[in-house]
Amino acid sequence: QVQLQESGPGLVKPSGTLSLTCAVSGGSISTNNWWSWVRQAPGKGLEWIGEIYHDGSSRYNPSLKSRVTISVDKSKNHFSLILTSVTAADTAFYYCARESTYRSGWYEFRWFDPWGQGTLVTVSS
Amino acid sequence: DIQMTQSPSSLSASVGDRVTITCRSSQNISNYLNWYQQKPGKAPKILIYAASSLQSGVSSRFSASGSGTDFSLTISCLQHEDFATFYCQQGYGAPYSFGQGTKLEIK
Repeated sequence: QVQLQESGPGLVKPSGTLSLTCAVSGGSISTNNWWSWVRQAPGKGLEWIGEIYHDGSSRYNPSLKSRVTISVDKSKNHFSLILTSVTAADTAFYYCARESTYRSGWYEFRWFDPWGQGTLVTVSS
Repeated sequence: DIQMTQSPSSLSASVGDRVTITCRSSQNISNYLNWYQQKPGKAPKILIYAASSLQSGVSSRFSASGSGTDFSLTISCLQHEDFATFYCQQGYGAPYSFGQGTKLEIK
């Protein structure tokens, strides 16, 4: 059973860089799945940050695109998130998740499952 | 970008009640719609994918329907463990987006 675990600093200074890693266990990251980052400001809703495939292909939320980079390291079976020029608005729980898929004919349905437990990143001086 | 709007934002109900949460997308997303349940301090949990398919291991008290722009999640015979916040999410295309959430509380 695939499990995901986020790791990284819990405190980042304003204008600094947020860096998190998601370790995948119980399965290979090189499957036919995309892998995503999702965040949630305390008490707020969910925001999709971006996704990556094991070949390095990636897509980002345009609202964050200029500041986000997601990368994959197949040798370590993990993927990472970098968010630059952070402000207090980037304070949130950051979750990594696998995009599970179901194919029916020409159609491919995706949903986020499983998720990591999440890690709180606070942006403060 | 596709906007997702849930209603109501909050809902009070009693154990044993049947409740329905609705979700509307800003454009036609066919049945690329997922539902999640999130409890305090926990990651969201998938309940329903592809608008109406129950995830393995999820109670059959949860059901969902819809297509196009209008969707609904119904919980029949509410149990204590069902009280949480629920989110819809469109999987039609990136950037994937979520509804603002519906908080289900015990009356």
